[in-house]
Amino acid sequence: EDQVTQSPEALRLQEGESSSLNCSYTVSGLRGLFWYRQDPGKGPEFLFTLYSAGEEKEKERLKATLTKKESFLHITAPKPEDSATYLCAVQAMTTDSWGKLQFGAGTQVVVTP
Amino acid sequence: DSGVTQTPKHLITATGQRVTLRCSPRSGDLSVYWYQQSLDQGLQFLIQYYNGEERAKGNILERFSAQQFPDLHSELNLSSLELGDSALYFCASSRRGTGDMYEQYFGPGTRLTVT
Repeated sequence: EDQVTQSPEALRLQEGESSSLNCSYTVSGLRGLFWYRQDPGKGPEFLFTLYSAGEEKEKERLKATLTKKESFLHITAPKPEDSATYLCAVQAMTTDSWGKLQFGAGTQVVVTP
Repeated sequence: DSGVTQTPKHLITATGQRVTLRCSPRSGDLSVYWYQQSLDQGLQFLIQYYNGEERAKGNILERFSAQQFPDLHSELNLSSLELGDSALYFCASSRRGTGDMYEQYFGPGTRLTVT
């Protein structure tokens, strides 16, 4: 069974204090790994898709990387507006899963001024 | 704003009742997905439609059903509601979804409260 595990569950950072979030996955053939940001009571906001090991993508203070077993989301010099829950999801290659995303439980990030 | 719209935003109903949640995908998107998010379960995939046809099913209860109409909007029907069905229900859409990797864009969600 496909599994996605995110760590830590929660992270409290000072403004400017860089850190990394981890997403470990087991899937029967990875088609893609996705990162989303979710604010309380709102829909997940798409951030990145990673397709193959070694791939990296950046957007403002966020950088996502992928290996064969895990992905990291690096937050560089975070600001209070980066406070959110960050969700990782995988899409498997099996034909019966089609576009289904399997989500992790998320990492809740709080950035204080 | 993702371009995906969902109505209503909030729904309060009693146990045993039936409700319908509506989703309009982004312009040009053919695939629609439904997810349920509760505090103890996280985001769970329910069902996917592509251009009017069901393509994948997740842990969707038999009391729940969905359809996608010719104009590509989708409805999720929840019947014989139980307290445990209280959750946020999200719709997402993507350009395709037939095994290809196209990003899913989520709507703002419908918060269902069953009393």
